[in-house]
Amino acid sequence: EIVLTQSPGTLSLSPGERATLSCRASESVSSSYLAWYQQKPGQAPRLLIYGASNRATGIPDRISGSGSGTDFTLTISRLEPEDFAVYYCQQYGSSPRTFGQGTRLEIK
Amino acid sequence: EVQLVQSGAEVKKPGESLKISCKGSGYSFSSYWIAWVRQMPGKGLEWMGMIYPGDSDTRYSPSFQGQVTISADKSISTAYVQWSSLKASDTAMYYCARRDGYKVFDFWGQGTLVTVSS
Repeated sequence: EIVLTQSPGTLSLSPGERATLSCRASESVSSSYLAWYQQKPGQAPRLLIYGASNRATGIPDRISGSGSGTDFTLTISRLEPEDFAVYYCQQYGSSPRTFGQGTRLEIK
Repeated sequence: EVQLVQSGAEVKKPGESLKISCKGSGYSFSSYWIAWVRQMPGKGLEWMGMIYPGDSDTRYSPSFQGQVTISADKSISTAYVQWSSLKASDTAMYYCARRDGYKVFDFWGQGTLVTVSS
């Protein structure tokens, strides 16, 4: 089973700042099958990024993903109030599919 | 419009059985895998398993194999997860999600809260 470790656990930033979230895999994620999801309190997760760097439908271009192998990054270039949430990475290249433990992005 | 609508919240006692549902609409239900994801209170997301409604091919996470049963009835566009004997540790929010052509979860249900308490 591939273990995904996200860092930091909590990130405190102000609107307008840049956020960089990390996801490290215990072994290489095949074909960059790495996704990012956003979850707000009381809501289901929402797909942001798939294939490590492809934005899902309707996701603004200030949100981007990068990386390959075992190291992946989600970047939000200019934080908007609606971006403060919990973010999860997920690998879907091998079974079982696994999620990281999440990074909480909070308003400073 | 693609929608996944889950059944309502449940309160059960330890040892009881339960089956919760996820009804898809707005797309060809038989042609997409449906996954189930657990979220325990205040915790992260865990992939339980998934089913292909077209032929009922089912895959389980080793952590959930033998603990739950995932099924689907394509005639009514509904997927299920069931427990034969609930435990307090099954208390969680359960989400269903559609796996798209890129193998990611593009649409999610609203979640079903299961509370198991004596």
